[in-house]
Amino acid sequence: AQSVTQPDIHITVSEGASLELRCNYSYGATPYLFWYVQSPGQGLQLLLKYFSGDTLVQGIKGFEAEFKRSQSSFNLRKPSVHWSDAAEYFCAVGPLRRGAQKLVFGQGTRLTINP
Amino acid sequence: EAQVTQNPRYLITVTGKKLTVTCSQNMNHEYMSWYRQDPGLGLRQIYYSMNVEVTDKGDVPEGYKVSRKEKRNFPLILESPSPNQTSLYFCASSLRGGGTFFGQGTRLTVV
Repeated sequence: AQSVTQPDIHITVSEGASLELRCNYSYGATPYLFWYVQSPGQGLQLLLKYFSGDTLVQGIKGFEAEFKRSQSSFNLRKPSVHWSDAAEYFCAVGPLRRGAQKLVFGQGTRLTINP
Repeated sequence: EAQVTQNPRYLITVTGKKLTVTCSQNMNHEYMSWYRQDPGLGLRQIYYSMNVEVTDKGDVPEGYKVSRKEKRNFPLILESPSPNQTSLYFCASSLRGGGTFFGQGTRLTVV
């Protein structure tokens, strides 16, 4: 069965510092991969997605993610974080056969930004 | 504006009292889903629908029902809520091969 692991439950970085959030997945075929962000009291907003092609994908709010098949990873990065990036981040995998319909989520990583 | 709308946003109810959480999307999406979010567990799919009158169980369907009589609506029904169904619920919709859009969430407390 497919699964997603986000090894870091909570990360704290300083404003202006670079960020990398880790995501590892387990799936038998090429998955659809997603990163979502959830601000306090809000729903989930799609940051970016990978379906095929270029393994480095650009998303909204200056985020990017790199798909590495050999490592079964899809890490999220941002060169310089802003205080407004403080939120919870979820990595998700969707089975290719049904497209984006069924998503399996990781446990989430809470990001705190120090001023 | 493209959106998924859930109602209510907050609900406190008692054990055994039937309730319905409504979900509506205005993007003409084929697929709709319900998820629940619990601390440390991320989001888990309850039910999904691939089109009108086509629904199937997700990972945690026990205690829930759904229906899809119209393309835009996908209500979640708890026939006899129990305290272990206290959670944050999200409705979502998507096109085949597209990203998934989520509603704002419904925080349900069952006492």
